[in-house]
Amino acid sequence: EAGVTQSPTHLIKTRGQQATLRCSPISGHTSVYWYQQALGLGLQFLLWYDEGEERNRGNFPPRFSGRQFPNYSSELNVNALELEDSALYLCASSTDRASPLHFGNGTRLTVT
Amino acid sequence: TQLLEQSPQFLSIQEGENLTVYCNSSSVFSSLQWYRQEPGEGPVLLVTVVTGGEVKKLKRLTFQFGDARKDSSLHITAAQPGDTGLYLCAGVRSNYQLIWGAGTKLIIKP
Repeated sequence: EAGVTQSPTHLIKTRGQQATLRCSPISGHTSVYWYQQALGLGLQFLLWYDEGEERNRGNFPPRFSGRQFPNYSSELNVNALELEDSALYLCASSTDRASPLHFGNGTRLTVT
Repeated sequence: TQLLEQSPQFLSIQEGENLTVYCNSSSVFSSLQWYRQEPGEGPVLLVTVVTGGEVKKLKRLTFQFGDARKDSSLHITAAQPGDTGLYLCAGVRSNYQLIWGAGTKLIIKP
């Protein structure tokens, strides 16, 4: 079974630009989660999508947004990039909210 | 507010030594998950503990859930360089929301 795939693996942007990150969940998984991981430590919850709807969002400003497509893949958009947005962005999927998460290998976003 | 305190934040030990990582909270969890993340990869689930007092073993790794389901520990016996990585605990609330610890960066020196 193919795992969660994320693209691109690395992304370099300048302050003020917009970034789009993509995620394809494991086949059959309808829930997609986005996390920000800075400094190689803990995960900060960003967004949860299920069945095409945003179900919950973490404590991040509105310039962090996303969507889930009918095929359950997902995009994370970050507008008006700031230096502090530099981090590893992880996507995870699950069959439902009670099931463990399966993570992709992340997109490393660098804002200069 | 950090609802799940994980300690230590960083640990560097010699191969063959034992170590314990702790996750503590004042909140009760339905279950608690442990993940390991290696450089350049996403976290991978190691184990889920569900019942208060439960102990699960995964080779040299022993996971324990506190009796009150507020805390958990991960004990590694005779650590190997392959155990190097970031260990993350995540408490699962009754509404299935995950509360993450800040992580323990573990380095095992040969």
